[in-house]
Amino acid sequence: GQNIDQPTEMTATEGAIVQINCTYQTSGFNGLFWYQQHAGEAPTFLSYNVLDGLEEKGRFSSFLSRSKGYSYLLLKELQMKDSASYLCAVTDGAGNMLTFGGGTRLMVKP
Amino acid sequence: DAGITQSPRHKVTETGTPVTLRCHQTENHRYMYWYRQDPGHGLRLIHYSYGVKDTDKGEVSDGYSVSRSKTEDFLLTLESATSSQTSVYFCAISESNSQETQYFGPGTRLLVL
Repeated sequence: GQNIDQPTEMTATEGAIVQINCTYQTSGFNGLFWYQQHAGEAPTFLSYNVLDGLEEKGRFSSFLSRSKGYSYLLLKELQMKDSASYLCAVTDGAGNMLTFGGGTRLMVKP
Repeated sequence: DAGITQSPRHKVTETGTPVTLRCHQTENHRYMYWYRQDPGHGLRLIHYSYGVKDTDKGEVSDGYSVSRSKTEDFLLTLESATSSQTSVYFCAISESNSQETQYFGPGTRLLVL
């Protein structure tokens, strides 16, 4: 089975940097996704990590350590529109299913 | 944006009635998924399909059935709705398996009274 842990809520200030962590224990693993979900909307894709290391995409970066079962999403130069839930999800060994964590609700304050 | 629609977008029904939710895609993607999202549980997979007439169970499949008679349509049926099935239901698609990015539909809010 899969077990994925993320903090439930975080608060940060506009213009700052925030790191959202995700730890996982899985029976099989192919890769890890991060999705963003604004309240009342559908999740949208942010990043996909398969190999260890940091992947940067504009203001957002995602890191993966397969040996530690750990990932983080780094958001720089926070904007008010970044207030949303951030969902960590891992693919199973067969690659047929995604298992999501409970999501981290980020509130950005002025 | 991937072409995914869900219908209905909102539904109120009574316990014991059958309910069918429809997911329609225009992307010709092979894989389609049904999730439910509840506070405290995040997104949980109900069923998925890897081709026409090819489906399999997810994490929370009890009380749900699915059908896929065409590439573009994936139906989720609650044979006899219960209050515990009150939720937001999301459909998603991906080109191949879950190692590919999944694109989500707008969701259906279902209230079972």
